[in-house]
Formats: sequence, structure tokens, C-alpha cells
Amino acid sequence: GAVVSQHPSRVICKSGTSVKIECRSLDFQATTMFWYRQFPKKSLMLMATSNEGSKATYEQGVEKDKFLINHASLTLSTLTVTSAHPEDSSFYICSARKERSSYEQYFGPGTRLTVT
Amino acid sequence: AQSVTQPDIHITVSEGASLELRCNYSYGATPYLFWYVQSPGQGLQLLLKYFSGDTLVQGIKGFEAEFKRSQSSFNLRKPSVHWSDAAEYFCAVGGQAGTALIFGKGTTLSVSS
Repeated sequence: GAVVSQHPSRVICKSGTSVKIECRSLDFQATTMFWYRQFPKKSLMLMATSNEGSKATYEQGVEKDKFLINHASLTLSTLTVTSAHPEDSSFYICSARKERSSYEQYFGPGTRLTVT
Repeated sequence: AQSVTQPDIHITVSEGASLELRCNYSYGATPYLFWYVQSPGQGLQLLLKYFSGDTLVQGIKGFEAEFKRSQSSFNLRKPSVHWSDAAEYFCAVGGQAGTALIFGKGTTLSVSS
């Protein structure tokens, strides 16, 4: 199989604090991980592409200083929302690829972030 | 520009009726096409994919999709819908290996009894 987990599944934080979301590939090594953001009733918006051992590539309009992505190992990528504000409240989904040449992505279950 | 269009925002079908969800894509190279389903508050589950070969692909849960290059379409079908099929459905396209998928805006499926 190809299982991707995310932790936490839900998080509530106060405005101005930072929160870290973990994305793990449980039974495979992921050379590439993607982070998406999904607004209510909306499609998935790609935020960044993360390759193990290198800096993440951010999509246009995504603040790299606000959304810190670290892909330190082949099974773990983290997204840190720094100085969170209510407008950062959203559903964050990660996905992982086994090889860089692969076309398939395996999605995590998502993390619901609420900033109060 | 690369894009995916799902023309129907919301569809309601009766339980037991047939279903077709539309997907059109715009992609400069050979497209690799996917359909995903998402239940409320959950992640995405892959229903089926098309890479090459037979243009009619079978997926899980009784779904199938047909790739029509001339129409740039990849419509999802199911002959008999079950109440548990109510969910959000996303069509996605990818092309260049290693790049992220491009998603449509999704179609919400409601099933009436």
C-alpha cells in the first residue's frame, strides 16, 4: 500500500501563534511531497512542492515566510503556519510521491486548522 | 494554460439512477487523468486513473471513466448510484513527471432516496 498520515487531524490555535502540521508516508519513501490548501466548497490549491533535502518550491502568491515547509527525511514533511491569523483557517492536505518520475500522488487525510 | 473544468457544481441523482460527472481539461502534452472522491472533512481517495491504453478505465466502487482525446474530456460514470456515493468529486490532470496535479473545482454529488 501507500499510506500517508497527517497530524494533527484538527487543531485550534490563537491568533499570533504558530502551528506545525506533519505529513508522513508510512510505508514508502517519498521523494516529493506536496502541500495543498482547501477552502470550504473549493478545490485544492497547491501551496508548495517539497523535495527531500532541498528547499520547497512555493506557488505564486504563497508567502514562504508564513508557511514554512521542511522535508528533512524521506518519510516526513512539515508545514508550519507562523503567526497564524483567522484567515489562515483552512483544510490543509498533503500528498506524497514515491519517485520523482511517478505521476501518482497519495493523499493524507487532511488537517483542519482553526485560528481564533 | 493548463486547466481542468468541471462544469457542474452540484448534481442530485436518485438512488439507483445512473450518474455522469463531466470533466474537461486543457493540457499541452499527453495528459494523465485522475478522479478523486472526498467525503466531508476527509482527504482524497483515488477512484481511477488513466495513463495510456484502453480509454475506458474501471475504478473502485463501480465507477468508470472514458478518456476522449477529441473532446478533451474524462467523464466519470456509474450505472447505479448508492446513497454512500454522496460526496465531492474532483477531476485532476497531470503531465510532466514529478509535478503536482491540477484539480478542477469539484462537483458535489447528492443522492436522494
